[in-house]
Amino acid sequence: DTGVSQDPRHKITKRGQNVTFRCDPISEHNRLYWYRQTLGQGPEFLTYFQNEAQLEKSRLLSDRFSAERPKGSFSTLEIQRTEQGDSAMYLCASSPWDRLGEQYFGPGTRLTVT
Amino acid sequence: TQLLEQSPQFLSIQEGENLTVYCNSSSVFSSLQWYRQEPGEGPVLLVTVVTGGEVKKLKRLTFQFGDARKDSSLHITAAQPGDTGLYLCAGEETSGSRLTFGEGTQLTVNP
Repeated sequence: DTGVSQDPRHKITKRGQNVTFRCDPISEHNRLYWYRQTLGQGPEFLTYFQNEAQLEKSRLLSDRFSAERPKGSFSTLEIQRTEQGDSAMYLCASSPWDRLGEQYFGPGTRLTVT
Repeated sequence: TQLLEQSPQFLSIQEGENLTVYCNSSSVFSSLQWYRQEPGEGPVLLVTVVTGGEVKKLKRLTFQFGDARKDSSLHITAAQPGDTGLYLCAGEETSGSRLTFGEGTQLTVNP
């Protein structure tokens, strides 16, 4: 049984560049979540999907952020025109249909914007 | 947005000591999760509690959900250096929706 995987694990980019992260959830999970975590803080919710439908977006998800889950399996999170304030750990989680509160997290993608 | 307050924020103890971490909110959660996170890694789910007053044990860890489902505690008996890490509580506002996390308790267990 493979857990949630994320790619890449680390990304260093220059301000103004676009970046895209990928998340592969646990295969039988139909809910997929994105969170962001900065140093010394707990994760903050960004958005979540049920299958391919994006059901909720946080106010943290500005116009420069977009997330997709086109076939209800893997998801991508894109940040356009990155800013230094976007530097953070981006975490993906998935949950089973019958225990929705049990969210299982991937290892995260550490983004550094220089 | 419901807020979760964790205390203490930092805890440094000697191996063999007992400790308790608290997670409090003024709002009711449909479930509450405890996670442990190591540097550079994602949070690892330890337990989910759903019913008010529920107590769950995981080896030396005991988790309790308050009767009103607003607060929770994590008690570790005879702490070991391997217990070192960031402990996070997270509340589920409504079933299947976002988790709201506390700021975490950084535990260090010294040998």
